[in-house]
Amino acid sequence: DAGITQSPRHKVTETGTPVTLRCHQTENHRYMYWYRQDPGHGLRLIHYSYGVKDTDKGEVSDGYSVSRSKTEDFLLTLESATSSQTSVYFCAISGPQYQETQYFGPGTRLLVL
Amino acid sequence: DAKTTQPTSMDCAEGRAANLPCNHSTISGNEYVYWYRQIHSQGPQYIIHGLKNNETNEMASLIITEDRKSSTLILPHATLRDTAVYYCIVRGHNFNKFYFGSGTKLNVKP
Repeated sequence: DAGITQSPRHKVTETGTPVTLRCHQTENHRYMYWYRQDPGHGLRLIHYSYGVKDTDKGEVSDGYSVSRSKTEDFLLTLESATSSQTSVYFCAISGPQYQETQYFGPGTRLLVL
Repeated sequence: DAKTTQPTSMDCAEGRAANLPCNHSTISGNEYVYWYRQIHSQGPQYIIHGLKNNETNEMASLIITEDRKSSTLILPHATLRDTAVYYCIVRGHNFNKFYFGSGTKLNVKP
């Protein structure tokens, strides 16, 4: 399995609270991604990074920000959590070529009350 | 990226081969076919991928038709631990697009 860890694995928070999720990789892959998975929607891309300090928006980026100060870490921040952001969040990594496989982390379950 | 069509669910007897079909009739020449699975609430697990030729690894075989409009994932000897949702994905130059869709729920039964 690819060396990807996510923390925390479970979190319960209240509406309006800032939340940061961390993805850590030991594979030295250039690309990192954040997805959310909700019933009936499959996986949807939130943000991705193609290098240190290089990030871009995905399909559902509103309400989320990201940062990547080191190759191995990709942080996802919910500036002010809302109940609609209750979801399972997955981090993924891949090499730089488009045909390269994405490997996924174990996920973080977030509940916003 | 081309969209894919998969059956909602399938059953397979333990020890038998599981053949999971996928239709991707709008696939273009440079798009790869990927298969992932997701067991319960775990992260999606990569299984196999291919462009034109059939592929085999320790987990499964991927059969792609000559016109590339469909493919079949084969788990040669399904076990109870193979019960999962299997996703067929077609991926092209937009590396940031990895559309999982609804997948096929494979139920392996004793």
